[in-house]
Amino acid sequence: ETGVTQTPRHLVMGMTNKKSLKCEQHLGHNAMYWYKQSAKKPLELMFVYNFKEQTENNSVPSRFSPECPNSSHLFLHLHTLQPEDSALYLCASSQGTGYEQYFGPGTRLTVT
Amino acid sequence: GQQLNQSPQSMFIQEGEDVSMNCTSSSIFNTWLWYKQDPGEGPVLLIALYKAGELTSNGRLTAQFGITRKDSFLNISASIPSDVGIYFCAGHAGGTSYGKLTFGQGTILTVHP
Repeated sequence: ETGVTQTPRHLVMGMTNKKSLKCEQHLGHNAMYWYKQSAKKPLELMFVYNFKEQTENNSVPSRFSPECPNSSHLFLHLHTLQPEDSALYLCASSQGTGYEQYFGPGTRLTVT
Repeated sequence: GQQLNQSPQSMFIQEGEDVSMNCTSSSIFNTWLWYKQDPGEGPVLLIALYKAGELTSNGRLTAQFGITRKDSFLNISASIPSDVGIYFCAGHAGGTSYGKLTFGQGTILTVHP
């Protein structure tokens, strides 16, 4: 595997389900990010992790819970989501938090 | 918060034509990045700019970091059908906004063969 990978690529879940999104970067980077991309809106930064420590939570509702066990892996745990949470969730990584970010292919999430 | 205004919102061009798009901000950025996103995929980094006035090329793509540090431009020469996609600018302000990239709304490019 190369670059940034995300699984699953597509996810449909009910509002009472609990699911997790996984991201793995193979670039040797130190920082990882979660973004939300909704139709007709700019990419919204959700969380930033630098050396496994969360450095940014962009006022994200608690039904989204990130986890970063090491610099290569990032998870987004989802529970009791709302239909408006349906979007493309993108993971990215960078060498440091001030440098260019490289994105994974995203997980298309649909909440029913 | 910081906002980037990207224009145009969409472009319909003939294959072989040149394309220009730009991004403007009300505040200064230390880094400008340009990405391309294909349907169902994540954004792919095209060009990164780190100095005011910098002009950088990547094949048929050329991007410039505006001298005021509040704008950036992307040009595509001799467009081809695979240039179709959404182009995003992104800026990094540095300082206390460490790690926070601000994205433009995107320019949707359609190329007619």
